[in-house]
Amino acid sequence: GENVEQHPSTLSVQEGDSAVIKCTYSDSASNYFPWYKQELGKGPQLIIDIRSNVGEKKDQRIAVTLNKTAKHFSLHITETQPEDSAVYFCAASDNTDKLIFGTGTRLQVFP
Amino acid sequence: NAGVTQTPKFRILKIGQSMTLQCAQDMNHNYMYWYRQDPGMGLKLIYYSVGAGITDKGEVPNGYNVSRSTTEDFPLRLELAAPSQTSVYFCASSPPGLGLSEQYFGPGTRLTVT
Repeated sequence: GENVEQHPSTLSVQEGDSAVIKCTYSDSASNYFPWYKQELGKGPQLIIDIRSNVGEKKDQRIAVTLNKTAKHFSLHITETQPEDSAVYFCAASDNTDKLIFGTGTRLQVFP
Repeated sequence: NAGVTQTPKFRILKIGQSMTLQCAQDMNHNYMYWYRQDPGMGLKLIYYSVGAGITDKGEVPNGYNVSRSTTEDFPLRLELAAPSQTSVYFCASSPPGLGLSEQYFGPGTRLTVT
């Protein structure tokens, strides 16, 4: 089955800097790659997703890139702000009805 | 819309007790999911359902049971609680479509088994 690895587990950046979180997946049939943000005490919330027919997707300060050949995808956050501090999860899915999640990255943005 | 609601928010169980975690959604979503989240381990799928009357096992189903008699509700049952079931439990729902799409998560239930 699918296996998703996520790095780093923690990431500290200065406000205004960029942050990059990377994930690799094992199943070449996977075709849907969402990113979720989880704030303290809350459930995860989708921030951006990408499908395998697209190499990059951008939404304001957030972008996701996908390399199908290498089986990895990355989340890029530019001009980080303190409110970006949270735990971020990547996930992958093939044509089944299930998502497999990475282990999460705790991002801290210092003012 | 209330979205996805979960009750209770917190619960402490003794070993061997049983309980049901409630989950409801008012978005008319066909797909519903139960996850557990352990520290540093991400989200693991316990059970899921693609519609009323249909359920299937996820990655970690042992010790749990589910039912889906209506589109709105998807309760998770723990029959004989064990310390290994101490975790935060999240319910989620998703609309059907061509492939997966956004999952909407509830606020979670923090369960401690002692």
